[in-house]
Amino acid sequence: GQQVMQIPQYQHVQEGEDFTTYCNSSTTLSNIQWYKQRPGGHPVFLIQLVKSGEVKKQKRLTFQFGEAKKNSSLHITATQTTDVGTYFCAVPSSNTGKLIFGQGTTLQVKP
Amino acid sequence: DTEVTQTPKHLVMGMTNKKSLKCEQHMGHRAMYWYKQKAKKPPELMFVYSYEKLSINESVPSRFSPECPNSSLLNLHLHALQPEDSALYLCASSQDRLYNEQFFGPGTRLTVL
Repeated sequence: GQQVMQIPQYQHVQEGEDFTTYCNSSTTLSNIQWYKQRPGGHPVFLIQLVKSGEVKKQKRLTFQFGEAKKNSSLHITATQTTDVGTYFCAVPSSNTGKLIFGQGTTLQVKP
Repeated sequence: DTEVTQTPKHLVMGMTNKKSLKCEQHMGHRAMYWYKQKAKKPPELMFVYSYEKLSINESVPSRFSPECPNSSLLNLHLHALQPEDSALYLCASSQDRLYNEQFFGPGTRLTVL
């Protein structure tokens, strides 16, 4: 079935450093979504990417969708303590439409 | 209203108890979901309701019984659970089942003794 690999599993950074998490699929994706879950919280939708090579920005967050639509990345510039949490990518299953979540990347930011 | 609400926030139950989790949304979404999430793991899909009909059951044990009384409400009935069922149970909704962003509720933290 559809799977998506997400790396790294954990990342510890000093406040002000950059952070990137990657998702990779063996199959071409129709779209990819990104969610953030704060400690003790619930997943919150960040963005959906649909087009090949698409790049979208939300303040310090930059999301990219690969040209082949098989990979995606989330980059945070100059991390802040408010960025702490787990970032999940999620892709739709090719035949059911249900979302398949990556394993998540947990970001810790040291002040 | 762009919120999904869930009650209760916390639940402790014994293995012989029967309890229900409730979820509500007023965004006019026609797809609703139950997920189970263990610590440090991604949400794991349990059930999907589309237009008030069960469309996906991810081979969930029968001790979990979903119900969708109307387009705004989703219940999860629990009976004879096991300690390994202890987890965060998340409800989510989306405009429809395919390819749309999902709005998650705050979850119910369930502990089975």
